[in-house]
Amino acid sequence: VTLLEQNPRWRLVPRGQAVNLRCILKNSQYPWMSWYQQDLQKQLQWLFTLRSPGDKEVKSLPGADYLATRVTDTELRLQVANMSQGRTLYCTCSAERGLGGLQDTQYFGPGTRLLVL
Amino acid sequence: GEQVEQRPPHLSVREGDSAVIICTYTDPNSYYFFWYKQEPGAGLQLLMKVFSSTEINEGQGFTVLLNKKDKQLSLNLTAAHPGDSAVYFCAADTNAYKVIFGKGTHLHVLP
Repeated sequence: VTLLEQNPRWRLVPRGQAVNLRCILKNSQYPWMSWYQQDLQKQLQWLFTLRSPGDKEVKSLPGADYLATRVTDTELRLQVANMSQGRTLYCTCSAERGLGGLQDTQYFGPGTRLLVL
Repeated sequence: GEQVEQRPPHLSVREGDSAVIICTYTDPNSYYFFWYKQEPGAGLQLLMKVFSSTEINEGQGFTVLLNKKDKQLSLNLTAAHPGDSAVYFCAADTNAYKVIFGKGTHLHVLP
């Protein structure tokens, strides 16, 4: 059973343009939703964990700026801006809280691959 | 900062042979350790979560060893098969909920 749906699955992003990603939770037993990035060298890094509708956070990392929003109990969004290097963004869900940590009940979505034009 | 070094970056073994991947971490406060498997075009799949109190952890077809003295975590696939071909990541998690990933090992199991 797929717990998370991510869209789009991939996107070509013109340099300087922002892109909006969505993650839909299919099982409310795993309400802690997070974003992770994986760069072109396969390095993984936690970005955000958001639990409640209305939660928002921003972060700047080498190669991209991020704005994450927990829209509803089942939807998490991520705006990616000023991206200079391609990456894949993974949405995760877990039953327990993990701020930058991993839980054994944490599940990864299929990912959204972003490439810079 | 804290680091997790994973080796080797690439590993090729024949079907039926064992495959060993080793991670060395620097934070002595690391409490949880994880092994993930990533198949081509897919997200990460948890293989095992290990607590710092357990040195030997048996999974289905693999063993995870934790050597706290040397700050090493290893994944040993005992009899690899082609379905094991994937990228494997280790991760270490401190009590402060900060996780650091290794850079991954591309495992290729030849039939």
